[in-house]
Amino acid sequence: SSELTQDPAVSVALGQTVRITCQGDSLRRFYASWYQQKPGQAPILVMYGENNRPSGIPDRFSGSSSGDTGSLTITGAQAEDEADYYCKSRDSSRNYNCVFGAGTKVTVL
Amino acid sequence: QVQLVQSESELKKPGASVKVSCKASGYRFTSHAINWVRQAPGQGPEWMGWINTNTGNPTYAQGFTGRFVFSLDTSVSTAYLQISSLKAEDTAMYYCARYSDAADAFDMWGQGTMVTVSS
Repeated sequence: SSELTQDPAVSVALGQTVRITCQGDSLRRFYASWYQQKPGQAPILVMYGENNRPSGIPDRFSGSSSGDTGSLTITGAQAEDEADYYCKSRDSSRNYNCVFGAGTKVTVL
Repeated sequence: QVQLVQSESELKKPGASVKVSCKASGYRFTSHAINWVRQAPGQGPEWMGWINTNTGNPTYAQGFTGRFVFSLDTSVSTAYLQISSLKAEDTAMYYCARYSDAADAFDMWGQGTMVTVSS
């Protein structure tokens, strides 16, 4: 399957922990990468590989993977983490082309 | 610093063409592939394909063949997306994104170019 499935929305209290998941057959073979997008802005990479943060991404962001599911966890969510989060991986049924999940809207209460 | 700077927003009539540019700076242009991503209003990103910045060879995702053309001018470190025979449904934000082999991820994005198709 070429699909990556994400929950449409999650909410988290300020300072609490939230996990965003991405499910798809391709994740059994490829890691997901994760992108944060705030309104009116371009996406930015926040996680890649098993658990790798680009420079400048706070360490409250972490990643994990198990079976067909990749996860992005925000530990101690801050107001500025409110955004849409998209996973991306490869589509093993289509020449390993890229595919994005539909996104998860994270609301920090 | 590493950045991708895209051309300004465009307003086009149906049937016209548009060419979006993506100028890279701060790194060796031919070291990283450039990908193109479409994001329709209120929707998630959609991968359009990529271009090999060494060979100029483009790869198009399903649904982006025929009217979409990726090209390069390596002398000015710039990638281009041209869309012909524009339709209303092409109205979207178009992003270029640098691909990192090491990360298998898009580690740098342009700021986006809004293309609006309206009569």
